[in-house]
Amino acid sequence: GNSVTQMEGPVTLSEEAFLTINCTYTATGYPSLFWYVQYPGEGLQLLLKATKADDKGSNKGFEATYRKETTSFHLEKGSVQVSDSAVYFCALSDGSNYQLIWGAGTKLIIKP
Amino acid sequence: SQTIHQWPATLVQPVGSPLSLECTVEGTSNPNLYWYRQAAGRGLQLLFYSVGIGQISSEVPQNLSASRPQDRQFILSSKKLLLSDSGFYLCARSGGSPGNTIYFGEGSWLTVV
Repeated sequence: GNSVTQMEGPVTLSEEAFLTINCTYTATGYPSLFWYVQYPGEGLQLLLKATKADDKGSNKGFEATYRKETTSFHLEKGSVQVSDSAVYFCALSDGSNYQLIWGAGTKLIIKP
Repeated sequence: SQTIHQWPATLVQPVGSPLSLECTVEGTSNPNLYWYRQAAGRGLQLLFYSVGIGQISSEVPQNLSASRPQDRQFILSSKKLLLSDSGFYLCARSGGSPGNTIYFGEGSWLTVV
């Protein structure tokens, strides 16, 4: 069945460091891929998405490229800020039903 | 804008008491609606989803139930809460087709004591 695997957290970085949060998936066909962010005490917000291979989603300085050959959708940011501290969820939709398949989430801690 | 209202934002309930969490959606017709639960420090668990009025699909057997009395209203209920029901409950919506992007409300914190 379909699945999403994220790197385990917490990931702790210093401000202005480069960020990569790995996400790989297993799915049949051509799923859509998503990154959501959850700030402390809040609901989830869509951060970015990609709907086909080689698409790059981007938002707020974050980027992720849909790599079908490696079944990956890694989240990157060139220079993180303390305000980026949050939990990041990778998810996929195979378009066959109304649900998303979720990764377990990766907690990111940015220290000043 | 398509807004999701969810209330109450926080509540503390004794074991065995009833529960009602309400969610309403603005700005869209015939949305798909969802209830998720997030236990402390853990990932998301889909509890229920609905593709239309009166149509509820349950993903996890439990003492919770959901109802959709109106197109843009989704209610999560329990007759008798358990300690294990504590968590962060999120209402969400998507468009009318499979694979549409899901958008979330601000969540409701439930503590069962």
